[in-house]
Amino acid sequence: KAGVTQTPRYLIKTRGQQVTLSCSPISGHRSVSWYQQTPGQGLQFLFEYFSETQRNKGNFPGRFSGRQFSNSRSEMNVSTLELGDSALYLCASSPSGGEGLETQYFGPGTRLLVL
Amino acid sequence: QKEVEQNSGPLSVPEGAIASLNCTYSDRGSQSFFWYRQYSGKSPELIMSIYSNGDKEDGRFTAQLNKASQYVSLLIRDSQPSDSATYLCAVKGWSNYQLIWGAGTKLIIKP
Repeated sequence: KAGVTQTPRYLIKTRGQQVTLSCSPISGHRSVSWYQQTPGQGLQFLFEYFSETQRNKGNFPGRFSGRQFSNSRSEMNVSTLELGDSALYLCASSPSGGEGLETQYFGPGTRLLVL
Repeated sequence: QKEVEQNSGPLSVPEGAIASLNCTYSDRGSQSFFWYRQYSGKSPELIMSIYSNGDKEDGRFTAQLNKASQYVSLLIRDSQPSDSATYLCAVKGWSNYQLIWGAGTKLIIKP
């Protein structure tokens, strides 16, 4: 099976612009979670989508949004970019995001630099 | 607020020794526990998952869970320089199955 894929891998934007990141989960996985990772901050949870519905949401401003399509592919959008949005954005998929030992599998990430 | 705590390190261990990584969590209702390894510039990859109290072994790795004391640990035997990475602890609760992540412990294995 192919792993989780994320596009683009690298992105440079300027303040005030907006950006859209894409994630294709492992085939058959219906849950997609998004994380922001900055040095020293660990993984910060953005949101999780399951069956095209946002099921969980982290503590990020409304500038951060996402969606999931019927084929489970997901996009996240950041509007009005700020310098502090520079980070590695990771997407992780799991079969259902449910209980027990079900595991999340991560994509390679998109590294965003805001100038 | 549900929290997962890890010592940020760095933890320096000689090659061939046992590396011991610890993680504590605040939510007594947590049900599943995961250890991920993250190399610099790469994404996290799963090493171990554990659900029941006690030890779970997989090759050189052993996960230990103590729900009464609310901690989970990861032991790496015969540490190798390739084990040098940041180790992330993640805990899944009952309510919404969302993973709560620790900030990670940086492990350095010295040859």
